[in-house]
Amino acid sequence: DIQMTQSPSSLSASVGDRVTITCRATQGISNYLAWFQQKPGKAPKSLIYAASTLQSGVPSKFSGSGSGTDFTLTISTLQPEDFATYYCQQYNSYPITFGQGTRLEIK
Amino acid sequence: QVQLVESGGGVVQPGGSLRLSCAASGFTFSNYGMHWVRQAPGKGLEWVAFLRYDGRDESYADSVKGRCTISRDNSKNTLYLQMNSLTAEDTAVYYCAKDPSWESGFFDYWGQGTLVTVSS
Repeated sequence: DIQMTQSPSSLSASVGDRVTITCRATQGISNYLAWFQQKPGKAPKSLIYAASTLQSGVPSKFSGSGSGTDFTLTISTLQPEDFATYYCQQYNSYPITFGQGTRLEIK
Repeated sequence: QVQLVESGGGVVQPGGSLRLSCAASGFTFSNYGMHWVRQAPGKGLEWVAFLRYDGRDESYADSVKGRCTISRDNSKNTLYLQMNSLTAEDTAVYYCAKDPSWESGFFDYWGQGTLVTVSS
């Protein structure tokens, strides 16, 4: 199985900051990488697929990059509604696997 | 708009069974693959199972293989997850999620989830 590791596991930032979350796969997954946002008590929301393509309706403040084993999610100009937990997910092969999540908190 | 509404969760004793349902609307259900993803309390996301649009290809996580069966009724726009031999480790919120094609492997829409609690 492909293991996905996110770093950091938690992150404190201020409104207006720009943050980057990293996701690493244990083997190459090309660009078969998606990112999700989840707020407490809510279902996940799809943000990005194919490593860098925004889902419809997702603001351009979110951006993704990477290929192979190393990927990043960058969120620019943080707003209060961006504070949430973010997950990466590989879909290069079954079983589909997720990173452990990165909790983004307000400083 | 796309809507996915899960139901069927509840409290079940260890060793028991449960069938979850996911009612889909707002898209042509029979054209898309569907997934189940779960989240144990306070934990991360775990993919559970996938079923192709026509029901002819399915995949399962090792943690549920042999105990769970994913199925669909395209005439009713409904996805199912039959879960047997449940243990405490199956306690989680179960989400159904839509694949953006017949078998891409990622998710564009999620339901709100249904809670399964395995406890005596």
